Amino acid sequence: QTVVTQEPSFSVSPGGTVTLTCGLSSGSVSTTHYPSWYQQTPGQAPRTLIYNTKIRSSGVPDRFSGSILGNKGALTITGAQADDESAYYCVVYVGNGIWVFGGGTKVTVL
Amino acid sequence: QVHLQESGPGLVKPSQTLSLTCTVSGGSISSGNYYWHWIRQPAGKGLEWIGRVSTNGITFYNPSLKSRVTISRDTTSNQFSLKLSSVTAADTAVYYCARFDGYGDFDSWGQGTLVTVSS
Repeated sequence: QTVVTQEPSFSVSPGGTVTLTCGLSSGSVSTTHYPSWYQQTPGQAPRTLIYNTKIRSSGVPDRFSGSILGNKGALTITGAQADDESAYYCVVYVGNGIWVFGGGTKVTVL
Repeated sequence: QVHLQESGPGLVKPSQTLSLTCTVSGGSISSGNYYWHWIRQPAGKGLEWIGRVSTNGITFYNPSLKSRVTISRDTTSNQFSLKLSSVTAADTAVYYCARFDGYGDFDSWGQGTLVTVSS
């Protein structure tokens, strides 16, 4: 069973930069896994930030960016704002029609 | 703008079958480069991919749930459905239906519906 790993939590100062990562138990994350990133606030459905590694969804501020860093997918928030305090989930395609979500990262801005 | 809405019982007894329907408006479930997914989230926990059905009816399931899950579609009603059998308390979660656009984006989600498994 493939496991996708994310940092459980991160804290960032307002205006600061934070990079969240998305790892794969079976090996490296690459563009062929189509890593995507979703933001979720309590009681709401997830919202797309980044899909297909680095494509920013419509209306998403450019302080959010996606990439591959080393052997992991990555979401970078540059110039964090208070309303970026949320849970962030990555999801990857592992083949055979199957997608796997990471456990999520809770980001605190303080 | 496509809209997805989950519906179904909010309470299911242990060992019974959970049944949910996702009604899609503003787009057809049988056309375009789209895939129709079910995803769930237990309270306070992360998202779990359950499975999906394509526009031509092909399904794929989470291997950990595969023996209990069936996803089907009704093109006449523009709905797709989830059945999860032999439920336990561990299946208590908010269940979301979502559209995947074929380019890597779960671009539209329902609001989610809470299903509680309890006697």
